[in-house]
Amino acid sequence: QKEVEQNSGPLSVPEGAIASLNCTYSDRGSQSFFWYRQYSGKSPELIMFIYSNGDKEDGRFTAQLNKASQYVSLLIRDSQPSDSATYLCAGTLAGGTSYGKLTFGQGTILTVHP
Amino acid sequence: SAVISQKPSRDICQRGTSLTIQCQVDSQVTMMFWYRQQPGQSLTLIATANQGSEATYESGFVIDKFPISRPNLTFSTLTVSNMSPEDSSIYLCSVTSGINNEQFFGPGTRLTVL
Repeated sequence: QKEVEQNSGPLSVPEGAIASLNCTYSDRGSQSFFWYRQYSGKSPELIMFIYSNGDKEDGRFTAQLNKASQYVSLLIRDSQPSDSATYLCAGTLAGGTSYGKLTFGQGTILTVHP
Repeated sequence: SAVISQKPSRDICQRGTSLTIQCQVDSQVTMMFWYRQQPGQSLTLIATANQGSEATYESGFVIDKFPISRPNLTFSTLTVSNMSPEDSSIYLCSVTSGINNEQFFGPGTRLTVL
């Protein structure tokens, strides 16, 4: 079992819709979670991070974390064609030799069509 | 967030040769990491670059193949040694920054081995 798994894509949504990206993780010791956006040919760009149970909102983006279910999600409201990219979920353990290290999911390709 | 640069941005190399990739940050950072992203894949951590001591390698990566230096808190190098076509990937350095240890990536080095 992979440590971080993302829902299989690709995901296609119409412009203006809500895009829902999901991620599960296997290690209950995981502390923080990060969502990155990666455009083709570019490096990953940090969108959101979350480390507490519940929701965290930033503009059109909402990250949700449920540690009991080991589940992380990213909602993109009012999706725009410019949101079309690969979205990467990553988790990290805190402390010891694992401090700061990110384990990435396989990524979900999102396409927002006009 | 920290500004990260990498050199070279891309290179085409012959098998059996070595390439050294440089990563420069505009501020002192505690944690620096090197990742690999193979074509169509997600990111895999190669090692943590430790300032003043030997790098900490992840399972499947060894120092002889990927020697790393980190002479100070703003600079690191990754060498890909005795290259084969299987080493063709994007190599990314990253740093942690901010009170929540968000991780940011450099622009990457696209390596093609013939």
